[in-house]
Amino acid sequence: GENVEQHPSTLSVQEGDSAVIKCTYSDSASNYFPWYKQELGKRPQLIIDIRSNVGEKKDQRIAVTLNKTAKHFSLHITETQPEDSAVYFCAAITVGQAGTALIFGKGTTLSVSS
Amino acid sequence: NAGVTQTPKFQVLKTGQSMTLQCAQDMNHEYMSWYRQDPGMGLRLIHYSVGAGITDQGEVPNGYNVSRSTTEDFPLRLLSAAPSQTSVYFCASSYGDSLLNEQYFGPGTRLTVT
Repeated sequence: GENVEQHPSTLSVQEGDSAVIKCTYSDSASNYFPWYKQELGKRPQLIIDIRSNVGEKKDQRIAVTLNKTAKHFSLHITETQPEDSAVYFCAAITVGQAGTALIFGKGTTLSVSS
Repeated sequence: NAGVTQTPKFQVLKTGQSMTLQCAQDMNHEYMSWYRQDPGMGLRLIHYSVGAGITDQGEVPNGYNVSRSTTEDFPLRLLSAAPSQTSVYFCASSYGDSLLNEQYFGPGTRLTVT
């Protein structure tokens, strides 16, 4: 089955700096890679996703890159702000008996200090 | 739309007790899933369903049962609670059955087993 590794587990940056979180996956058939943000005490919410037919996707200060050959993908946040402080999860699809399922990484706690 | 709802919000069980965590969505989503979240472990998939009558196991299914008799509801049953099942449980749903779409998470149920 799919295995998703996420690094680092914690990341501290100053406001305005960039932050990069990296994930690797094991199943070469995976074709969908979302990123979720979870603020303290709240539910995870999708912030960006990428499909295997593109190498990069941007949405304002957030971008995701995908390297299918190396089986890794990364989240890039530029000009970080205190409200970016949260836990970020990467995920990759795996195929089960009944259909597809998402396997998540263990998460990265991002702290942005002003 | 209420989105994804979960009940109860909090629950304390004694070892060996059984209970059902309720999950409902009013978005007519085919795909529903259950995750548990433990500190440092990320979101781990328990069971998922691609439509009424179709379920499959995820990464950590032992000790849990599910069924999907309607599109709207996807209850999670703990057969005989154990302290290792102390966790926060999230239900999620998404449009379609192939999981290439955003997952909408419920608010979570915090379960403590003593």
